[in-house]
Amino acid sequence: QSALTQPASVSGSPGQSLTISCTGTSSDIGGYDYVSWYQQHPGKAPKLMIYDVSNRPSGVSNRFSGSKSGNTASLTISGLQAEDEADYYCSSYTSTSTRVFGGGTKLTVL
Amino acid sequence: EVQLVESGGGLVEPGGSLRLSCAASGFTFTNAWMRWVRQAPGKGLEWVGRIKSKTDGGTTDYAAPVKDRFTISRDDSKNTLYLQMNSLKTEDTAVYYCATDPVSRHWGQGTLVTVSS
Repeated sequence: QSALTQPASVSGSPGQSLTISCTGTSSDIGGYDYVSWYQQHPGKAPKLMIYDVSNRPSGVSNRFSGSKSGNTASLTISGLQAEDEADYYCSSYTSTSTRVFGGGTKLTVL
Repeated sequence: EVQLVESGGGLVEPGGSLRLSCAASGFTFTNAWMRWVRQAPGKGLEWVGRIKSKTDGGTTDYAAPVKDRFTISRDDSKNTLYLQMNSLKTEDTAVYYCATDPVSRHWGQGTLVTVSS
């Protein structure tokens, strides 16, 4: 199972909105509504930000939202803040009953 | 408060074995599906495998790179998840995290496994 495709890096200024894409296939993202997004700060464990495409766990800011179209999922962060600077990973359930992660996207707040 | 605490990491030679543990508290471990995820130094996250609760069959699934070498098990009486790693390779060097599954709201702090001669 190949890794999902994410841009290596994105950047934005405080207050802006930006979107991170995650592209897979019909055997993962396109076939199931089980896409998750994780935020990871350096030296820390990942933190769940979105699950099942668009659901936000309690305690996660509503500035974070998720969506999916075909084989591509997206994470949108609105009102960018300095604390949002981190690595972001998408993940999907697959047709072989496994999970696959994206390669990760480094978000820089300018 | 949910807590997941991994242990058992360390330095091992290629071809060797190691068993990681993940002690769980703050939730009903017996009903939980659990997963292992690893992260090589400076690299991204990689799903290792998952075990269902015993009431859901207790079955396991593994990523292709570790299948037939790694085994996930659980001891519900001890609220503990295990990862038995055999025939270790240098490319297995990583921080290993345990987490709840299928929605990974809760993660441990990770334990470092270094495979080197």
